[in-house]
Amino acid sequence: DAGVTQSPTHLIKTRGQQVTLRCSPKSGHDTVSWYQQALGQGPQFIFQYYEEEERQRGNFPDRFSGHQFPNYSSELNVNALLLGDSALYLCASSLALRDSVGTLHFGNGTRLTVT
Amino acid sequence: QKEVEQDPGPLSVPEGAIVSLNCTYSNSAFQYFMWYRQYSRKGPELLMYTYSSGNKEDGRFTAQVDKSSKYISLFIRDSQPSDSATYLCAMTNSGGYQKVTFGTGTKLQVIP
Repeated sequence: DAGVTQSPTHLIKTRGQQVTLRCSPKSGHDTVSWYQQALGQGPQFIFQYYEEEERQRGNFPDRFSGHQFPNYSSELNVNALLLGDSALYLCASSLALRDSVGTLHFGNGTRLTVT
Repeated sequence: QKEVEQDPGPLSVPEGAIVSLNCTYSNSAFQYFMWYRQYSRKGPELLMYTYSSGNKEDGRFTAQVDKSSKYISLFIRDSQPSDSATYLCAMTNSGGYQKVTFGTGTKLQVIP
């Protein structure tokens, strides 16, 4: 049973460029969340997708956008990259439960370096 | 002020020691409390998951939640070198579509 897979594992971009990161959720999961983890910090919530819609959003600018596909996989897009966007981007999948909390299963992340 | 405060450490202990990791929080709406372990160059993995106040034990790990004090703890008994990792506390309010708020993480090193 495959867990959460993310691609690519590493990426180097220049300021002002755009980047797309990809995530395949754990089998059976229908919800995908994206987190940004700066060096020495805990993950910060970017947004969450369920049924192909953005359900919740953290305190991130509109340069950060996403998409969820019918097979539950997801993409994170970041436009106009800044040096401060350098971080580990984590995808987490879960199962949306009406009256409970679905615990998160994380991938190993994409390390983005902006130069 | 951050919603969740966690001492970043690093914390260094000898093998076999009892380790205590702690977090405080300010949002009284948090109902679900989790501890994740993150090895270097890996994503976080769930260790313990507790609803509301109380204790939960799983092998060498014990999680405690005191909602009245807004304080949560993770205890590791008989610590092993393989426990060396960063430990992240995390919490969220109720509901199926949840945003999880993480602490900074405490880096633990268990010395053989």
